[in-house]
Amino acid sequence: KAGVTQTPRYLIKTRGQQVTLSCSPISGHRSVSWYQQTPGQGLQFLFEYFSETQRNKGNFPGRFSGRQFSNSRSEMNVSTLELGDSALYLCASSRGLQNTEAFFGQGTRLTVV
Amino acid sequence: DQQVKQNSPSLSVQEGRISILNCDYTNSMFDYFLWYKKYPAEGPTFLISISSIKDKNEDGRFTVFLNKSAKHLSLHIVPSQPGDSAVYFCAASANNNRKLIWGLGTSLAVNP
Repeated sequence: KAGVTQTPRYLIKTRGQQVTLSCSPISGHRSVSWYQQTPGQGLQFLFEYFSETQRNKGNFPGRFSGRQFSNSRSEMNVSTLELGDSALYLCASSRGLQNTEAFFGQGTRLTVV
Repeated sequence: DQQVKQNSPSLSVQEGRISILNCDYTNSMFDYFLWYKKYPAEGPTFLISISSIKDKNEDGRFTVFLNKSAKHLSLHIVPSQPGDSAVYFCAASANNNRKLIWGLGTSLAVNP
């Protein structure tokens, strides 16, 4: 059974650009959550999608957005990138909303220069 | 303000001994707690969880203890093995709200 797949693994962007990250959950999993990990702040919850609908949202500015497709794949978009957006972005999938055991991908390392 | 705190950034233990990782929380509404393990260049991996209706959950070498009155939980690894060397994250959620709140992690080094 394939795990959670995140692409790309590494990305370098300049300030002001926008970026789209992709996450393919484990087959059969319908919930996808996104997290930002930085050394000083640890893992910060961005948002969660289930059945193509955003179900939960963290405390991030509107520059951070996401969506989920009918096959449960999810994308996360960050517009007008800032230096502080440099982080590891992790995606986690789980079967459903009631199951809090999540399986994480390897993450996308975003560097903003 | 960190609602989930792991006050020890690192811990070093001898192989075969017990590793005890601690986690404190401030939100009394948290009712579900999880421990994740993370190796470098990999995403976190679920380890063990505990609901607030229990005070102990055991899975092989891993046991999690929950003290609700102290708002404290701990993860015990017995016996510790070199392969356990990783960063351990404590996470919590409230009222089936699946937004997990994470601690900053404790880096465990198990020395042979």
